[in-house]
Amino acid sequence: AQKITQTQPGMFVQEKEAVTLDCTYDTSDPSYGLFWYKQPSSGEMIFLIYQGSYDQQNATEGRYSLNFQKARKSANLVISASQLGDSAMYFCAMRGINTGTASKLTFGTGTRLQVTL
Amino acid sequence: DSGVTQTPKHLITATGQRVTLRCSPRSGDLSVYWYQQSLDQGLQFLIQYYNGEERAKGNILERFSAQQFPDLHSELNLSSLELGDSALYFCASSLSPTAEETQYFGPGTRLLVL
Repeated sequence: AQKITQTQPGMFVQEKEAVTLDCTYDTSDPSYGLFWYKQPSSGEMIFLIYQGSYDQQNATEGRYSLNFQKARKSANLVISASQLGDSAMYFCAMRGINTGTASKLTFGTGTRLQVTL
Repeated sequence: DSGVTQTPKHLITATGQRVTLRCSPRSGDLSVYWYQQSLDQGLQFLIQYYNGEERAKGNILERFSAQQFPDLHSELNLSSLELGDSALYFCASSLSPTAEETQYFGPGTRLLVL
């Protein structure tokens, strides 16, 4: 079974500051993918960034980077230079390679980020 | 815009009724997934189709069923609706059902059962 844990139900960050959203995972799959999604108040789920378990380098996408520490089973999302539009719910998710786990994303409970002036 | 479309955006219905949610995947994507997001259960995987065939089932109730048609669009049928079925239902698609493939989500259908 796979499990994603997001221990921060809510976070505040000032505009233009960087913020780290925590994510730890547990899986028995030898290979897996880690994803972050953003859900604004409008409800849609927006893909942000992907990290493969065998990728040597941490993934980056614009202002988003993923701090992947495989030994610690953590995949924290770092948002640099926060903007007001970053205020949203953020979900960490994973997929494994096995038949039972490759079919679905397993999500954490999410972290609500509020960017303040 | 992810390229995944879902209709309708909102649906209000009564207990005991049946509804159909529709999803069109991104162009070229063969795999379709359905998820339910509710306050008490969070985001839960319901079912997956790949190129017209059911591939995996998650926490999908027997009152719910789905299919993927030859043109790759998918429908999720919810019957004998209960108050607890009120949720945001997402469809997602990916090119293939592998671990590294990103699933792109549609805007969701918000279902309210009264």
